[in-house]
Amino acid sequence: DTGVSQDPRHKITKRGQNVTFRCDPISEHNRLYWYRQTLGQGPEFLTYFQNEAQLEKSRLLSDRFSAERPKGSFSTLEIQRTEQGDSAMYLCASSLAPGTVNTEAFFGQGTRLTVV
Amino acid sequence: RKEVEQDPGPFNVPEGATVAFNCTYSNSASQSFFWYRQDCRKEPKLLMSVYSSGNEDGRFTAQLNRASQYISLLIRDSKLSDSATYLCVIRTGFQKLVFGTGTRLLVSP
Repeated sequence: DTGVSQDPRHKITKRGQNVTFRCDPISEHNRLYWYRQTLGQGPEFLTYFQNEAQLEKSRLLSDRFSAERPKGSFSTLEIQRTEQGDSAMYLCASSLAPGTVNTEAFFGQGTRLTVV
Repeated sequence: RKEVEQDPGPFNVPEGATVAFNCTYSNSASQSFFWYRQDCRKEPKLLMSVYSSGNEDGRFTAQLNRASQYISLLIRDSKLSDSATYLCVIRTGFQKLVFGTGTRLLVSP
């Protein structure tokens, strides 16, 4: 399978615990995005990378959220001291950088986080 | 004003009907436009890119109106399987992708 893969698919955690999600993008894609989606809403931007550089982080994102893409390939999203409001679907997407021909983003199946 | 706005619907249409959705965007410098489809509890999947001259893919037609800053999606001969949420997505320059909240379509027999 050469699509975007995310792990785990589901995560249930107790409030206050830390969680980490992983995303493996399509191999030739240099852009990687993280989004969060709650029921009835469109995906909300969290952060994105071009290669290993984090180009933007949402101002709505608290300091409890951090993301890395150390070698410009896979990425991790960590949430520290989880809160019930963090319960959502966390989506990863990858694309080629703008300026190339096909810049459509392709999504992984997401990680569904439930904080209890 | 939101960067991307869509009517959340739902749009309830019978099979065979033609339905159209619009999406408005606030940044006149936006350069790339897409429609994504999302089924319940699944990830968004690219339906089609939207080109300046408009483009068609089977029963689906997408158009861009830069002067009025909106894009549209037309679905002809609706099928039951078209029931989904349709997400409008824009990119301004080299920046991130911004999603609308989506328009829900329900096609009934």
